Amino acid sequence: GNSVTQMEGPVTLSEEAFLTINCTYTATGYPSLFWYVQYPGEGLQLLLKATKADDKGSNKGFEATYRKETTSFHLEKGSVQVSDSAVYFCALGGYAGNNRKLIWGLGTSLAVNP
Amino acid sequence: DADVTQTPRNRITKTGKRIMLECSQTKGHDRMYWYRQDPGLGLRLIYYSFDVKDINKGEISDGYSVSRQAQAKFSLSLESAIPNQTALYFCATSDSRGTYEQYFGPGTRLTVT
Repeated sequence: GNSVTQMEGPVTLSEEAFLTINCTYTATGYPSLFWYVQYPGEGLQLLLKATKADDKGSNKGFEATYRKETTSFHLEKGSVQVSDSAVYFCALGGYAGNNRKLIWGLGTSLAVNP
Repeated sequence: DADVTQTPRNRITKTGKRIMLECSQTKGHDRMYWYRQDPGLGLRLIYYSFDVKDINKGEISDGYSVSRQAQAKFSLSLESAIPNQTALYFCATSDSRGTYEQYFGPGTRLTVT
């Protein structure tokens, strides 16, 4: 079946460091892939998405490339800020039974120190 | 104004009490979802509804029930709350005509003592 595995946190970085949060998936067919972000005390927000192989999603300085050959969708940012401290969720849009759903990773907590 | 709203935002209740969490949306989406979030467990789907007459159980529906009163309203009930239902609860919506992305409310923090 469909599943998503993302790296465990917490991840702690200093401001301006490079960020990578790994996400790999198992799926049949050609799923859509998403990164969501949850800031403290808030609901989840869509950060970026990619709908087909080799697509690159980008937003707010974050990027992720849909790699079908490695079944990955790693999130990267070149220079993190304190305001990026949040929980990041990788998700796959696929079928569970006959229904289209999002399948979620467990989330990775990121703390950025000044 | 927020597109997906949840009430209440915080609630403390006692074991055995009935409690209802409400969700409203102005996005015009036909699909609505209830999730719970627990530390280390990510998001788990409780119930989902693809339209007013279509309600489905998710991964962890035991102890919960839902009602889709209108396309824009989806409520979650705990008939007899227990302490292990202490969690953060999220409502989400999506459009069946679009892609898979879901849009979330701000969450309800529920504590059962």
